[in-house]
Order: sequence, then structure tokens, then C-alpha cells
Amino acid sequence: ETGVTQTPRHLVMGMTNKKSLKCEQHLGHNAMYWYKQSAKKPLELMFVYSLEERVENNSVPSRFSPECPNSSHLFLHLHTLQPEDSALYLCASSLEWPNPDYEQYFGPGTRLTVT
Amino acid sequence: RKEVEQDPGPFNVPEGATVAFNCTYSNSASQSFFWYRQDCRKEPKLLMSVYSSGNEDGRFTAQLNRASQYISLLIRDSKLSDSATYLCVVNDNYGQNFVFGPGTRLSVLP
Repeated sequence: ETGVTQTPRHLVMGMTNKKSLKCEQHLGHNAMYWYKQSAKKPLELMFVYSLEERVENNSVPSRFSPECPNSSHLFLHLHTLQPEDSALYLCASSLEWPNPDYEQYFGPGTRLTVT
Repeated sequence: RKEVEQDPGPFNVPEGATVAFNCTYSNSASQSFFWYRQDCRKEPKLLMSVYSSGNEDGRFTAQLNRASQYISLLIRDSKLSDSATYLCVVNDNYGQNFVFGPGTRLSVLP
């Protein structure tokens, strides 16, 4: 177990739906991340939170809205998604950010399908 | 040029073989380097960090060549359980960016 959990593990949603992905880390880390992994593409960093403050937003469309209520929880709110948003969404945490020495620990991911 | 590039693979090798993967990165200011493995439909997991002097962990050896901006991973005596995608990860900009390579897929065959 990596200490990072994500729910749900699978999600199918229509383009007009609103849903949320949840991530929780039990490692006492101060930084949390959302990544998108599409087929045959490298992991793409979406958002970074450090001590509950958003510090990176990699030009992600506004239909993805992150929320970090405390250092252990991270949400990704989804609304009016497109079929090309179908992907594996991975949450990760690290001890602190920025720090080049600390590796990231990943959750199992949410496999999202937009119909 | 992409920030992190890896051998495209896939690599299909018999059990017991030695296999090596290469990874190149474009940012000469990159500071830390990692190898992750990702099993099919699972999350990436840290395999090992890569240190300037090179490091070994059992059957796995990682090397860093800063002058040529590449990292390598050597797997000796490969096992069926080594079958996975191996991701090269570079951290630069004073730790602000984790950049993942596209991965190299390895299949170890009985």
C-alpha cells in the first residue's frame, strides 16, 4: 500500500454531469498533485498543492476544478467534460514542494470514461 | 525536443536476460532523477532514485551521465515479475517540476 487512496476507482459520466474525484494521503506529506494519464502519452501534471495552497496549474481547462481543504485531502471537481478527457487520473503526494529530492507516491487512480 | 525521452520499446526478453533502458533529458539544470515502474492498469511506483555516482539495488543498477544528459537502468537476471513499463522521471526547476518520460515497456518471457 502506498498510503494514497483514491475514490472512485472507476467512473463513467456523461458530458453534462458533475462529479468529483477524491484523494486522501496518510503519509503526513505537505504536497499533493493531480496527474492525467492518457493512452500512449506521458503523465501530464495538472495541479500542485503545497500546504493546501495551489502552486501550479498547468493550463488545465476550467472544466477541471481542484480543491484542497487540508493537507491530507485533495479533490478534483469535474463538469461538462469532453470525451477526450477520458483517462486515468492519478493523485500523488510528496513530503514537500518544491524539493527535488523527495519522490512522489501515487494513488491507484480513477479511470474516467466520458460518454 | 521533448523534455524527457525514452527508448520506445517494447522490449521482449527471455527470463534471465540482462536488459538496459536509456532516458535522455533536455534541461541541463535538472537536479534529481528517478526510475518508476508502472504495472498494467496500476499506478506508478518508485523503483529507485538515481544518484550522480550511480547506484545499485539488487539486480537493478541506475547510472547518471550529466554531461550527456542521460540516465540508464540496467536489469540483470530478469524475472517474469519485472514485466512492466519503466518510467524515467526528472525533477528540475529547483524541485518545482516532475517531468515523466513516456515509458519503456518490458515483457519478460518464460
